[in-house]
Amino acid sequence: DGGITQSPKYLFRKEGQNVTLSCEQNLNHDAMYWYRQDPGQGLRLIYYSQIVNDFQKGDIAEGYSVSREKKESFPLTVTSAQKNPTAFYLCASSYARGRGSYGYTFGSGTRLTVV
Amino acid sequence: QQQVKQSPQSLIVQKGGISIINCAYENTAFDYFPWYQQFPGKGPALLIAIRPDVSEKKEGRFTISFNKSAKQFSLHIMDSQPGDSATYFCAAHAAGNQFYFGTGTSLTVIP
Repeated sequence: DGGITQSPKYLFRKEGQNVTLSCEQNLNHDAMYWYRQDPGQGLRLIYYSQIVNDFQKGDIAEGYSVSREKKESFPLTVTSAQKNPTAFYLCASSYARGRGSYGYTFGSGTRLTVV
Repeated sequence: QQQVKQSPQSLIVQKGGISIINCAYENTAFDYFPWYQQFPGKGPALLIAIRPDVSEKKEGRFTISFNKSAKQFSLHIMDSQPGDSATYFCAAHAAGNQFYFGTGTSLTVIP
């Protein structure tokens, strides 16, 4: 079955530690995105990538980094510079505009907690 | 600045009633307006979507009403069921294949 897989489902980070969240898709989608979800704030865009080896900052990129070495994969690293990383992180993918329908496919999310 | 404003933040509806969630936007360049449904601990899933050249779209119990002149669109859930209890997000598509999301509405349907 085609889909988008995020792992792990739950992640605990110690103060000052970098952690990496995995996102893999087998939908042959061109674009991939990372969102952060906090209660009452909806979805806020962290980074997005339209093609391999290229990515752009979203609204809240500080303290995060990404890479896009393969079309299928878009890992997100939460660095120690992110002062309030506890949140639910969602990865999404879509076709590039003009190819197929609009709309994202979301993964099931990773809940990150600082301990 | 919130590109898409969504209301209400939470909604409680009796089983069989109509749930209505509203969204408003300012950017007239938006060209596609989807609604997503999210259950606790899961990612959002596309529910229904509309383009601005259509005033209404219906899929089963779910209807989007779109008012281009007022820059508003709404989701109507007819005959609401307890299984519809979830968080609903409206969104708007902009150039560059980026979506802007509303802040979400937590819907509770009570039996």
